[in-house]
Amino acid sequence: TQLLEQSPQFLSIQEGENLTVYCNSSSVFSSLQWYRQEPGEGPVLLVTVVTGGEVKKLKRLTFQFGDARKDSSLHITAAQPGDTGLYLCAGARRQAGTALIFGKGTTLSVSS
Amino acid sequence: DSGVTQTPKHLITATGQRVTLRCSPRSGDLSVYWYQQSLDQGLQFLIQYYNGEERAKGNILERFSAQQFPDLHSELNLSSLELGDSALYFCASSATGTSADTQYFGPGTRLTVL
Repeated sequence: TQLLEQSPQFLSIQEGENLTVYCNSSSVFSSLQWYRQEPGEGPVLLVTVVTGGEVKKLKRLTFQFGDARKDSSLHITAAQPGDTGLYLCAGARRQAGTALIFGKGTTLSVSS
Repeated sequence: DSGVTQTPKHLITATGQRVTLRCSPRSGDLSVYWYQQSLDQGLQFLIQYYNGEERAKGNILERFSAQQFPDLHSELNLSSLELGDSALYFCASSATGTSADTQYFGPGTRLTVL
């Protein structure tokens, strides 16, 4: 059973379109992180959200943490080919130590 | 560049063999994590060390072991390899090893077991 469910698993869109990726769980997390991973490289941290209801913006990317700290979303406005990659959400649960629990990821392909 | 280095980048070996993966954390980071990434399971936490001591254990098989040395570099040893062990193995490091820390990932080692 996957603790963090990401959807959709794959997304193929045209440049300029908007998209939202979801990360859902039945568990509460003390924080949730979003990573982007390119082929042949390790995940790179985009953002960490720690407060229920928190919204963070990073240029064209908007991240939201659910009020109950069980879910999160990543919205990309006007996607560009450079946004192509694997987007991973990862949750930290204080009672489980410091291990991050990762979703399986959303593979995004943006074509021009 | 995250500052975390991993060697080798690629490793091809046969079933039943033993391999060692190496990781050097970012300068100043005391904690090292090992993850396994496969297509069907995604990124799975294996084990964490902090300043030479094991801190947390995840889905690490008994055939696998790890250690962190006094200079803070870490090694992941995989023995009696099976086809299913083929995966990307990532090392990450963080400053203090707490849940509030940012983990910085290395470029990974791609292990292929034939």
